[in-house]
Amino acid sequence: DTEVTQTPKHLVMGMTNKKSLKCEQHMGHRAMYWYKQKAKKPPELMFVYSYEKLSINESVPSRFSPECPNSSLLNLHLHALQPEDSALYLCASSRRDVENSPLHFGNGTRLTVT
Amino acid sequence: DQQVKQNSPSLSVQEGRISILNCDYTNSMFDYFLWYKKYPAEGPTFLISISSIKDKNEDGRFTVFLNKSAKHLSLHIVPSQPGDSAVYFCAASNTGNQFYFGTGTSLTVIP
Repeated sequence: DTEVTQTPKHLVMGMTNKKSLKCEQHMGHRAMYWYKQKAKKPPELMFVYSYEKLSINESVPSRFSPECPNSSLLNLHLHALQPEDSALYLCASSRRDVENSPLHFGNGTRLTVT
Repeated sequence: DQQVKQNSPSLSVQEGRISILNCDYTNSMFDYFLWYKKYPAEGPTFLISISSIKDKNEDGRFTVFLNKSAKHLSLHIVPSQPGDSAVYFCAASNTGNQFYFGTGTSLTVIP
């Protein structure tokens, strides 16, 4: 069982819809991440939150809006997406108090934009 | 530009033999390297890591080797088991919170 929980597992949305992806961890990790992964490609970093503050935004389009309500939760709000945004969206967390701490991933949300 | 590369998209190995997965990187500032295993419909699972001050790290059947001068790392799995069949990603980091992933190698262990 993964210690990073993502919901929903699957999501189909139209280009005019607004939806949110949710991620939760209870490992006490203070860094949380959103990655996007397309088929046969490596995970691509989208956002990093460190101590609940956005520290890295990899030039992600504004139709993706991250939110970190508290140290355990991470959301990704989606609006006016394009079909090419269809992908597996992975949440991850890691410690910030220890140097060289690995990422722990959730099982992802498979997003299809129609 | 891909800073972490896995040049073998796939690898097949007989059960009980050694599996060797390779990874190359271009950024000499990377100081922390990791291997992840991914099954279909699941997120990547952390396997083993190594910092740049070491050249080898071992955990059970898994050993990671780092050659800094060649900017190369490898994962050895001995003995290979059918349950090891998965996609393996290497990753590298230079800041502690920004990780770069390779394209993955699909390992098949044949019973």
